Amino acid sequence: KNQVEQSPQSLIILEGKNCTLQCNYTVSPFSNLRWYKQDTGRGPVSLTIMTFSENTKSNGRYTATLDADTKQSSLHITASQLSDSASYICVVGPWGGDKLTFGTGTRLAVRP
Amino acid sequence: KAGVTQTPRYLIKTRGQQVTLSCSPISGHRSVSWYQQTPGQGLQFLFEYFSETQRNKGNFPGRFSGRQFSNSRSEMNVSTLELGDSALYLCASSLERPGRAGSEQYFGPGTRLTVT
Repeated sequence: KNQVEQSPQSLIILEGKNCTLQCNYTVSPFSNLRWYKQDTGRGPVSLTIMTFSENTKSNGRYTATLDADTKQSSLHITASQLSDSASYICVVGPWGGDKLTFGTGTRLAVRP
Repeated sequence: KAGVTQTPRYLIKTRGQQVTLSCSPISGHRSVSWYQQTPGQGLQFLFEYFSETQRNKGNFPGRFSGRQFSNSRSEMNVSTLELGDSALYLCASSLERPGRAGSEQYFGPGTRLTVT
């Protein structure tokens, strides 16, 4: 069964600090992995999309890494800001473009 | 370029009633997917439409249905509403099938449905 597990479930950090969110998946065969940011009560917004051949991709202060061999990905947030407070969702796409598998997300709170 | 729009944004219904939600994808996008999100839950996949055909369906009862029109606009319908149907319903559009590597999904703002 295709699954995406994210950790931690929730995280509190101080403004200006860095943090790393984890995503492990069992989707096979694997094609691509996405990270989304979702503010409370809004639709998710794409941060990065990586294919199986990519190891890292950045979007401003967000850097995603991918290890397709161990089926792990991480999202690193540098110099956090209050506006980074949101849920971060890891999504995996299978080879062939069929149904996406969503993780349940990590809820991040950035405190002043 | 206009983003994904969903109407209405907020809706209050009574148990037993039915509801229709609408989604207008980004111009040129042929795929529309629907998701349900409840407090504390992740995004639960409802269905995916591509070129007016349902390509995938999630594990929801038959009370949940949808369709896509020739202009790619999509509607979903929930009949015989239950309290547990209260949720944020999100629509997402993409150029191609959403699982493809180069096919980025763009989400709408969602419709907040409250069933009393």
